[in-house]
Amino acid sequence: AQKVTQAQTEISVVEKEDVTLDCVYETRDTTYYLFWYKQPPSGELVFLIRRNSFDEQNEISGRYSWNFQKSTSSFNFTITASQVVDSAVYFCALSFSGNTPLVFGKGTRLSVIA
Amino acid sequence: GAGVSQSPSNKVTEKGKDVELRCDPISGHTALYWYRQSLGQGLEFLIYFQGNSAPDKSGLPSDRFSAERTGGSVSTLTIQRTQQEDSAVYLCASSLTSAGAYNSPLHFGNGTRLTVT
Repeated sequence: AQKVTQAQTEISVVEKEDVTLDCVYETRDTTYYLFWYKQPPSGELVFLIRRNSFDEQNEISGRYSWNFQKSTSSFNFTITASQVVDSAVYFCALSFSGNTPLVFGKGTRLSVIA
Repeated sequence: GAGVSQSPSNKVTEKGKDVELRCDPISGHTALYWYRQSLGQGLEFLIYFQGNSAPDKSGLPSDRFSAERTGGSVSTLTIQRTQQEDSAVYLCASSLTSAGAYNSPLHFGNGTRLTVT
């Protein structure tokens, strides 16, 4: 079965704190793709990152970083020095080949308090 | 516009009525997806169109749900005999090629909020 689990339903942090959003996936495929999307209060989902199963390099983009570990089937997302504008629902997603739709987790609602 | 456009943005209907939701993908995008977002349930895949291939309908929850994509562009999601449990935000997304392709992330519309009373 293919499944994405985001165990954290809601997280609340104070501005400037670091926060990590967890994502655990299940798949029997050896080739797959992992994604993170952000859904701000406006509602439109915004693509953040894509990672394929053969590339375990961690990635940093400004205050965002992603830690992909195949050994634990996890693709966690860390926001450093969080800001109020980071408040959103964040979704982790999985795709199993080039022609299959993304399977999404249930999302983690992040609230950053000033 | 440059993004995925969905209409209407909000729809209130009575139980038992049929509704049609429209999606205009980004021009040139060959892949189109419908998802449903219910409160606390994340994004539930409904149907996927890729070019001229037969659509992947594996996510449609019942035979009351159907979708078509005319001319490889605009798509319409139809829900017949709506039920209260159909109330949700229906999201459309498009991508240049397929979901897994490196430079082909999904671009989502703002969704249609459907309320069945």
